[in-house]
Amino acid sequence: QKEVEQDPGPLSVPEGAIVSLNCTYSNSAFQYFMWYRQYSRKGPELLMYTYSSGNKEDGRFTAQVDKSSKYISLFIRDSQPSDSATYLCAMSGRTGGSYIPTFGRGTSLIVHP
Amino acid sequence: DTGVSQNPRHKITKRGQNVTFRCDPISEHNRLYWYRQTLGQGPEFLTYFQNEAQLEKSRLLSDRFSAERPKGSFSTLEIQRTEQGDSAMYLCASSLVSVGNNEQFFGPGTRLTVL
Repeated sequence: QKEVEQDPGPLSVPEGAIVSLNCTYSNSAFQYFMWYRQYSRKGPELLMYTYSSGNKEDGRFTAQVDKSSKYISLFIRDSQPSDSATYLCAMSGRTGGSYIPTFGRGTSLIVHP
Repeated sequence: DTGVSQNPRHKITKRGQNVTFRCDPISEHNRLYWYRQTLGQGPEFLTYFQNEAQLEKSRLLSDRFSAERPKGSFSTLEIQRTEQGDSAMYLCASSLVSVGNNEQFFGPGTRLTVL
């Protein structure tokens, strides 16, 4: 079992829909949780960065962390075709003084007009 | 442009050749990371530097791979005697580490194809 599990999709939704993307993890030492967006053949772009449990909102994006369930989510409201991309979750904890993140494999999102 | 830059963006080489990639981090960032990403997978950690010191290497980093960060600025990743299995996107990221904060910002990547 991988430390971070993420459904690769693809997830196809109509424009304007609320999108829910999720990851589960097994390492209870993870404290920092990130979501990256990656367009085809580009580098990942940091969207959200949260510490420990709770919610964080930034515009149309909301990140949720439930450490008790080892489950994190990213919600996208009023989805747009420009949101079509692969969304990577990543998480890290203190290991020997470093916080090297472990990434999920990414979920491919398609928002169609 | 003040983001992370990588060169070249694409590299095609024949098996057995050596290749070198360059990464220029965000100027005030003290940490620099190298990752490898294959199709349908997330980035996999290879190695990282804090300033000029290479602090950690993944077991994925075979002895054909070497990375340097002279003077704590740009970094190079060299792959010797390339194999077809080395074909991947090589990503560089940088961060300004502070207590508990390690937000990493990625460059556009170098796509390597080994024929």
